[in-house]
Amino acid sequence: DAGVIQSPRHEVTEMGQEVTLRCKPISGHDYLFWYRQTMMRGLELLIYFNNNVPIDDSGMPEDRFSAKMPNASFSTLKIQPSEPRDSAVYFCASSSLRAGAYPNNEQFFGPGTRLTVL
Amino acid sequence: KQEVTQIPAALSVPEGENLVLNCSFTDSAIYNLQWFRQDPGKGLTSLLLIQSSQREQTSGRLNASLDKSSGRSTLYIAASQPGDSATYLCAVIEGSQGNLIFGKGTKLSVKP
Repeated sequence: DAGVIQSPRHEVTEMGQEVTLRCKPISGHDYLFWYRQTMMRGLELLIYFNNNVPIDDSGMPEDRFSAKMPNASFSTLKIQPSEPRDSAVYFCASSSLRAGAYPNNEQFFGPGTRLTVL
Repeated sequence: KQEVTQIPAALSVPEGENLVLNCSFTDSAIYNLQWFRQDPGKGLTSLLLIQSSQREQTSGRLNASLDKSSGRSTLYIAASQPGDSATYLCAVIEGSQGNLIFGKGTKLSVKP
């Protein structure tokens, strides 16, 4: 498996523009997580899905942020409108609880998307 | 609210030295604990996962221990090498399907 795939790897945009980040989890994983990393706050959960259903979105900072998972192999995180304080690295991770298939719910991370909002 | 703390924030050692990185968490009711490595500008690489029923896990020169009752975990790196230089992150999961709660990391520098 290629691991968790994220695109784009880098995104530079201007304040007010819409930004869409994409993630493809590891095949067979039934949990998908979106995290954000900043120097000030470290790594924080934004939202996670189980079997394509959002379970906990309490970490989504504002209504400007939205996430979808239309199928088991694809998820998007959208920011509209973007602001300079959204500049960060956004990570997607996936895991599976199925005993015997993988270590129990070990999370595997993608390479991240570095977002800069000017 | 669960809080994860890693001490020290930065560590510099000469090559070949054995070292210990520390992680503490405030609520001992964790499901498991995971150690990661992060290289500058890169993603997170999972190093070791310790389930709550386990005391330690080993992978090559790495050994991670877990003491749930005291809310502590350590990552032991034997015979450190310059290639071990990175930031090491500790994270806990409180439920079987929950998210990871991360510490701020320890930035390790191994000097040749």
